Amino acid sequence: GDSVTQMEGPVTLSEEAFLTINCTYTATGYPSLFWYVQYPGEGLQLLLKATKADDKGSNKGFEATYRKETTSFHLEKGSVQVSDSAVYFCALSDPWGGATNKLIFGTGTLLAVQP
Amino acid sequence: DTAVSQTPKYLVTQMGNDKSIKCEQNLGHDTMYWYKQDSKKFLKIMFSYNNKELIINETVPNRFSPKSPDKAHLNLHINSLELGDSAVYFCASSATRDLSYEQYFGPGTRLTVT
Repeated sequence: GDSVTQMEGPVTLSEEAFLTINCTYTATGYPSLFWYVQYPGEGLQLLLKATKADDKGSNKGFEATYRKETTSFHLEKGSVQVSDSAVYFCALSDPWGGATNKLIFGTGTLLAVQP
Repeated sequence: DTAVSQTPKYLVTQMGNDKSIKCEQNLGHDTMYWYKQDSKKFLKIMFSYNNKELIINETVPNRFSPKSPDKAHLNLHINSLELGDSAVYFCASSATRDLSYEQYFGPGTRLTVT
């Protein structure tokens, strides 16, 4: 079945460092891909999305490109801030692959940014 | 205006009790979901309703019973609560017309069973 694998955390970085969180997926259809962020004590917020191959999603300085050839959707940011400290979830929705429209999540990656 | 709201935000109860969590969305979406987030932050879908019809039921004990009185509301009733039910429960909604199936999440309900 469909699945999402993302890098284990925690990821600890200094402010202004470059961030990469790896995400790969397995899907039978043509999934949409998402990054959600969960700040401490809060719910999930959509960070960015991409709906087809080679699409680039971007928001708040974060970017991710939908790579069908490597089945990846890695999250990047050029210069992280302390306020970016949160748990980041990679997810897919694969309605054409029989998964209806449920979101399948990776295990989440905790990012801790130190001043 | 709150898009997806849940009540209560926190719920502490004893084993064996019955409790309900309510969810409402004002986005005009036709599909609503319940997800469970365990202590390791892992998120998994439990149920989904489309236009008040159950379309996803993911191997959830039958002590959990969702109810959708209308498209804007999806409630979750849990009977005979167990310690393992302690988790954060998230409600979400989406629009079928949005082919990306982006989902909007509520703030979560932290359930603690003692």
